[in-house]
Amino acid sequence: QSALTQPASVSGSPGQAIIISCTGSSTDVGNYNLVSWYQQHPGKAPKVIIYEATKRPSGVSVRFSGFKSGNRASLTISGLQAEDEADYYCCSYAGGSTYVFGTGTKVTVL
Amino acid sequence: QLQLQESGPGVVKPSDTLSLTCTVSGGSVSSTSHYWAWIRQPPGKGLEHIGYVLYSGSTYYSPSLRGRVTISVDTSKNDFSLQLSSVTAADTAVYLCARQQSREKYGTIWYGGYFDFWGPGAQVTVSS
Repeated sequence: QSALTQPASVSGSPGQAIIISCTGSSTDVGNYNLVSWYQQHPGKAPKVIIYEATKRPSGVSVRFSGFKSGNRASLTISGLQAEDEADYYCCSYAGGSTYVFGTGTKVTVL
Repeated sequence: QLQLQESGPGVVKPSDTLSLTCTVSGGSVSSTSHYWAWIRQPPGKGLEHIGYVLYSGSTYYSPSLRGRVTISVDTSKNDFSLQLSSVTAADTAVYLCARQQSREKYGTIWYGGYFDFWGPGAQVTVSS
């Protein structure tokens, strides 16, 4: 099972909106709505910010939103803030109890 | 609040077995709604799902590691463990334990399947 494809880096100015894509295949992203997104600050454990493709856990800022269409999922961060600078990973169920993560995207706030 | 904490040796010799334990507090590994997972992150790289164990002892392992990995649960100690045999330098990574929501399907819609609580991670270096 190959890793899901994400852009290596995305940057934006404070207040802007950015979108991080996550491209899989018909056996993972395209076949299940079980896509989740994780935010990881340096030296810290990942934190779930989106699950089931579009849902936000309690306590996660409304500035984070998820979308899925076909084999592609995306994470939008609206009103970019300095604290959003981190690595972001998507993850999808791929059947047969298998989970595959994305390659990761480094978000830089200019 | 659920907390997870990894523990184990920080250095393992090549060809030896890596052993880590994840101690769970503020919750129970006997939960029927959750799986208990191990994930690793090689230096400067992304996340890799190693596998998980249920309270019953049922397991799933990633195909890429199957044959070398064993995950077990100890409900009396409220912890779960990872063993990875015949390690090489490629197994050097931060190893993270996490609680995984179980998957459920109702009609055509799936629910769950995400990692909602994580330990801080344990650095394991394979070196002689």
